[in-house]
Amino acid sequence: SYELTQPPSVSVSPGQTARITCSGDALPKKYAYWYQQKSGQAPVLVIYEDSKRPSGIPERFSGSRSGTMATLTISGAQVEDEADYHCYSTDSSNNHWVFGGGTKLTVL
Amino acid sequence: EVQLVQSGAEVKKPGESLKISCKGSGYSFTSYWIGWVRQMPGKGLEWMGIIYPGDSDTRYSPSFQGQVTISADKSISTAYLQWSSLKASDSAMYYCARQGNWIDPWGQGTLVTVSS
Repeated sequence: SYELTQPPSVSVSPGQTARITCSGDALPKKYAYWYQQKSGQAPVLVIYEDSKRPSGIPERFSGSRSGTMATLTISGAQVEDEADYHCYSTDSSNNHWVFGGGTKLTVL
Repeated sequence: EVQLVQSGAEVKKPGESLKISCKGSGYSFTSYWIGWVRQMPGKGLEWMGIIYPGDSDTRYSPSFQGQVTISADKSISTAYLQWSSLKASDSAMYYCARQGNWIDPWGQGTLVTVSS
């Protein structure tokens, strides 16, 4: 079955740039989506269609995709950005959607 | 405002059946897919499957095919996730969410605990 691979953890100091990657064989042809999940809360969409931000999401959140890898970038990460981040996409047949394993972002 | 409101937490014994619900409001319930996502304690998100309430077309992740049943009652704008015989390993948080090309918004989650 199709898989998306993320690093288990990323750590940055406040104000630094955090980059979280997501790799998958179908990504060259399929959009990536990113969700932020804070402890005890439901996930929230932060990036859709590789690089678009929903309203209300701070400009420091951005996304990109190149080849088999999608990247979520948080420029000038803040303590309140500490959360789990999950990428999401579909396999080449568009029949099955999958999440990456999630990346725990620590900002301290 | 688009909202998905899920039923409350459940505590069940192994072998029991269970059906949890997800009620949509603020949009045309029959025009969007509804998906279910599992999150086991301390783990990541797992896409389980989706249903199109307009015609009940349903698709399952291979990992969950045959393990759960997804259904919907469009007359009351409600989707369901059910088990016929729960196992301890079904203990998890379950989220419903509206699914187009992406999942948004999400319900608040239903915690299912299966323990003898």
